[in-house]
Amino acid sequence: DAKTTQPTSMDCAEGRAANLPCNHSTISGNEYVYWYRQIHSQGPQYIIHGLKNNETNEMASLIITEDRKSSTLILPHATLRDTAVYYCIVRVAEGSSNTGKLIFGQGTTLQVKP
Amino acid sequence: DSGVTQTPKHLITATGQRVTLRCSPRSGDLSVYWYQQSLDQGLQFLIQYYNGEERAKGNILERFSAQQFPDLHSELNLSSLELGDSALYFCASSLRSWDNEQFFGPGTRLTVL
Repeated sequence: DAKTTQPTSMDCAEGRAANLPCNHSTISGNEYVYWYRQIHSQGPQYIIHGLKNNETNEMASLIITEDRKSSTLILPHATLRDTAVYYCIVRVAEGSSNTGKLIFGQGTTLQVKP
Repeated sequence: DSGVTQTPKHLITATGQRVTLRCSPRSGDLSVYWYQQSLDQGLQFLIQYYNGEERAKGNILERFSAQQFPDLHSELNLSSLELGDSALYFCASSLRSWDNEQFFGPGTRLTVL
């Protein structure tokens, strides 16, 4: 799986958009970008994933650059409850020969401030 | 609520002891994963089971073992415990063996004194 690089920490004002970057310059063509978050020692929570097109769900949007070497997770209207560690993970495409072993890096600690 | 349950929530024990952590996956999920989160190592994958069979192994110590039972619940056994084994242990589950969207339980906090 390709290595990812994320800033250690970021702040965001409540109600504003939080933009969390992730660099994955060695990503392969069959690798997806996944985002998880972990709120204060709770179990990690899946947020969103994508291959090359931008994706949006009820939690967030994922913007992947055209060369796929970086991506940005966007929380459109951050709330205090979004304060968490956000992990960007690059994983090979799903298939019966692969396992679901997730490799977590250090992630980005997002602090949403009132 | 992810649908994954873990017991116990907290466990305090002494060095040299053995403990068993239990995980019940989401209804219908066949794959169970165990992860360890310590302050210095972050979140680390330990082992995966799929439909009763071991599927993948991470940096799991020889003192640790796991199994998945016919009813799909899983147990992680930690023996000869050391101070450094103090950590949060998470179980996750997914439907298939290769799913990258996994559902995590609330964790078991193990403290070894």
